[in-house]
Amino acid sequence: QVQLQESGPGLVKPSQTLSLTCTVSGDSIGSGNHYWSWIRQPGGKGLEWIGRIYTSGSTDYNPSLKSRVTMSVDTSRNQFSLRLTSVTAADTAVYFCARVALQLPDFWGQGILVTVSS
Amino acid sequence: DIQMTQSPSTLSASVGDRVTITCRASQSVRKWVAWYQQKPGKAPKLLIFMASTLESGVPSRFSGSGSATEFTLTITGLQPDDFATYYCQQYDTYSPWTFGQGTKVEIK
Repeated sequence: QVQLQESGPGLVKPSQTLSLTCTVSGDSIGSGNHYWSWIRQPGGKGLEWIGRIYTSGSTDYNPSLKSRVTMSVDTSRNQFSLRLTSVTAADTAVYFCARVALQLPDFWGQGILVTVSS
Repeated sequence: DIQMTQSPSTLSASVGDRVTITCRASQSVRKWVAWYQQKPGKAPKLLIFMASTLESGVPSRFSGSGSATEFTLTITGLQPDDFATYYCQQYDTYSPWTFGQGTKVEIK
């Protein structure tokens, strides 16, 4: 069974960089069969797609976040990562990582709450 | 970006009811629409993709329809486990994914 697990700090100060990692088990990122994506959900609100990365390292980002987002993949650790710079309170959200198959996320992590506050 | 406008935002219904949720796209997304169910503290669960194809393991009381800019999710015979929030999503090629704002299905 494919499982994804987000990890990283739950509290980030304003203007700093949010860094999260997603560890994948039950599938190999290096197989190149899927995209890997990040999606977030501010408290009590809807879902926002952040972007996706392929094994090759090619990426697509949400234009609204593109200037602040970097995604990377580490096939040796079977992980992929998200960096979001210059965070504000508006970036407070539950962050989900997901595997993308046939254009849609088929397996999700449980989500990690990241709060931006001083 | 393509905007997805979902309605209603909240829906009160009883077990056994037939409920319909609508999603309108700001431009044509052909049939590239998915529907998700989300319960508190959990990740969304895929119900329907390509507007009307039921994901494996999803009960047949869920159905989807539509194309271009108008889409619906219907639950026929609402069950206690169905009280949740539902989201539509467009995933048209070359466009960033966007989601509707959600419809909370509550117990009447």
